[in-house]
Amino acid sequence: AQKVTQAQTEISVVEKEDVTLDCVYETRDTTYYLFWYKQPPSGELVFLIRRNSFDEQNEISGRYSWNFQKSTSSFNFTITASQVVDSAVYFCALSAFHAGGTSYGKLTFGQGTILTVHP
Amino acid sequence: DTEVTQTPKHLVMGMTNKKSLKCEQHMGHRAMYWYKQKAKKPPELMFVYSYEKLSINESVPSRFSPECPNSSLLNLHLHALQPEDSALYLCASSHAGTLSQPQHFGDGTRLSIL
Repeated sequence: AQKVTQAQTEISVVEKEDVTLDCVYETRDTTYYLFWYKQPPSGELVFLIRRNSFDEQNEISGRYSWNFQKSTSSFNFTITASQVVDSAVYFCALSAFHAGGTSYGKLTFGQGTILTVHP
Repeated sequence: DTEVTQTPKHLVMGMTNKKSLKCEQHMGHRAMYWYKQKAKKPPELMFVYSYEKLSINESVPSRFSPECPNSSLLNLHLHALQPEDSALYLCASSHAGTLSQPQHFGDGTRLSIL
């Protein structure tokens, strides 16, 4: 079975603080993909990053960085120098073959972390 | 701007009404999805179309009827809905046939059932 756990339900920070959103996943598959999505109040889920199970390189994109560690089944997301515009719900998601028995990429979402950045 | 367009953005309907939600994408994606999302919850998959054919129905009640008229359009026909069906309905699309491709989502339709 596939499972994604985002233990932090809500996080509140003040602008310019760094914040890390945790994501822990479970899967029996050796090939899988991990994603982070941002959902602002407007509703649209915005794709942020994809990481495959064979690539443990960390990635940095501007103020965003991701730390993928297979040894702990974690794919954490850090926002450096947070801004008010970062306020949103963030979802970690897993795509693995056995999630749907097909190759269409059924996403297993975590419960989401509500991030509020105060001015 | 989102590359997946959903209309309407808001919909209020009675339990006896018939309405349709529409979704359009022009990214050449051949997989399209409907999700239902309740407040403070993750999206729940409802239907998947792959190459215009329904490939997955996640045991959705028959009062929801999907339709994929062509590779760019996806509809969700609604009839005799219940108050618990009030939610945000999200459409998404992706390249078909691979696990690795991210899904691209629309802004959603906020549906309220009176």
